[in-house]
Amino acid sequence: DAGITQSPRHKVTETGTPVTLRCHQTENHRYMYWYRQDPGHGLRLIHYSYGVKDTDKGEVSDGYSVSRSKTEDFLLTLESATSSQTSVYFCAISGGRSYEQYFGPGTRLTVT
Amino acid sequence: AQSVTQPDIHITVSEGASLELRCNYSYGATPYLFWYVQSPGQGLQLLLKYFSGDTLVQGIKGFEAEFKRSQSSFNLRKPSVHWSDAAEYFCAVISDGGFQKLVFGTGTRLLV
Repeated sequence: DAGITQSPRHKVTETGTPVTLRCHQTENHRYMYWYRQDPGHGLRLIHYSYGVKDTDKGEVSDGYSVSRSKTEDFLLTLESATSSQTSVYFCAISGGRSYEQYFGPGTRLTVT
Repeated sequence: AQSVTQPDIHITVSEGASLELRCNYSYGATPYLFWYVQSPGQGLQLLLKYFSGDTLVQGIKGFEAEFKRSQSSFNLRKPSVHWSDAAEYFCAVISDGGFQKLVFGTGTRLLV
């Protein structure tokens, strides 16, 4: 299995509070991605990174920001959490010529 | 824009029966296609991929998929389903090869 960890694995927070989710990889892959998974929507790309300090928006980026100060870490921040951001968040990495993405175990976030 | 359609939200099959999960894509050039599986509470695992060449590709766990350009389809098959195959299955296509970004279908939940 690819070395990807996510923390925390579960979090409950209140509306309006900031939340940061962490993705850590040990594979030295160039690309990292944050997705959210919601019933009926599959996985939707929030933000992605193509190198240290190089990030860009995905399909559903409103209300989210990211940072990547080291190759191995990709942080997703909800500046002011809303109930619509209740979801399961997955981190993924990619970097080979095979274009395969490897997924972390996910973080279940509940915003009350 | 590239897109993926999985027309079946749920499929129920009996153990030992054959399985076919449908996937249709929208993409101008030769697509890079993937099937992922997600067991309950887990991340996504790659089952198989198609880039070029033989249109019938073999994957892990006894799964195979056939690429049909004329039908814009990449259906997943298994000749004999096991109870442990109960999971959610996602079809995906590379939307941006430069950044190795994926677009996912909404998934099909398999009940055995």
